[in-house]
Amino acid sequence: EPEVTQTPSHQVTQMGQEVILRCVPISNHLYFYWYRQILGQKVEFLVSFYNNEISEKSEIFDDQFSVERPDGSNFTLKIRSTKLEDSAMYFCASRAVTAYNEQFFGPGTRLTVL
Amino acid sequence: AQSVTQPDIHITVSEGASLELRCNYSYGATPYLFWYVQSPGQGLQLLLKYFSGDTLVQGIKGFEAEFKRSQSSFNLRKPSVHWSDAAEYFCAVGARGGSQGNLIFGKGTKLSVKP
Repeated sequence: EPEVTQTPSHQVTQMGQEVILRCVPISNHLYFYWYRQILGQKVEFLVSFYNNEISEKSEIFDDQFSVERPDGSNFTLKIRSTKLEDSAMYFCASRAVTAYNEQFFGPGTRLTVL
Repeated sequence: AQSVTQPDIHITVSEGASLELRCNYSYGATPYLFWYVQSPGQGLQLLLKYFSGDTLVQGIKGFEAEFKRSQSSFNLRKPSVHWSDAAEYFCAVGARGGSQGNLIFGKGTKLSVKP
């Protein structure tokens, strides 16, 4: 069964460093998403991406964040200068081109900012 | 404002007992409705979804959920809980139509199962 994959599973970084989180969505999906979950809190939407551009973003997704689909398979989230409060689990999701908003999630990347 | 409320933060049930996890939503129109499960250290797995039609939907692992429009609720149920059901459960809503819309999640309910 096709699935969304994410790498790395855990990333530790120093405050102020840049990190790139990687995702490989399901191959025939065209809508891509990033969500995050701060420890003990709910899953929050960051950004959606379609047709090589951002289609929606939340207040959390400020200028420190960017997304890219550098090739036909990867979808990345970059945080330019990490802050302590960026420590969270980051989930990538994708969905097919249908009228239904059924999103498939990856296993997540746990980001720890020290 | 759009929101999802899961009023129970933590529920403990005995193995073999029935389970109901509550979910209420606030949304401009009837959204698509989802339940996801997250085992420790794992990602989010879709349990079931409601798009339209029969308001009682069946999912994986023996779970079902009932959509009640009048109550803006989408409660998750299982007649007999197994120890492997211990996990965190998230209710989510999403926009209808062909939009790219994001999902809005509740805060989750952690389920513990007593032997």
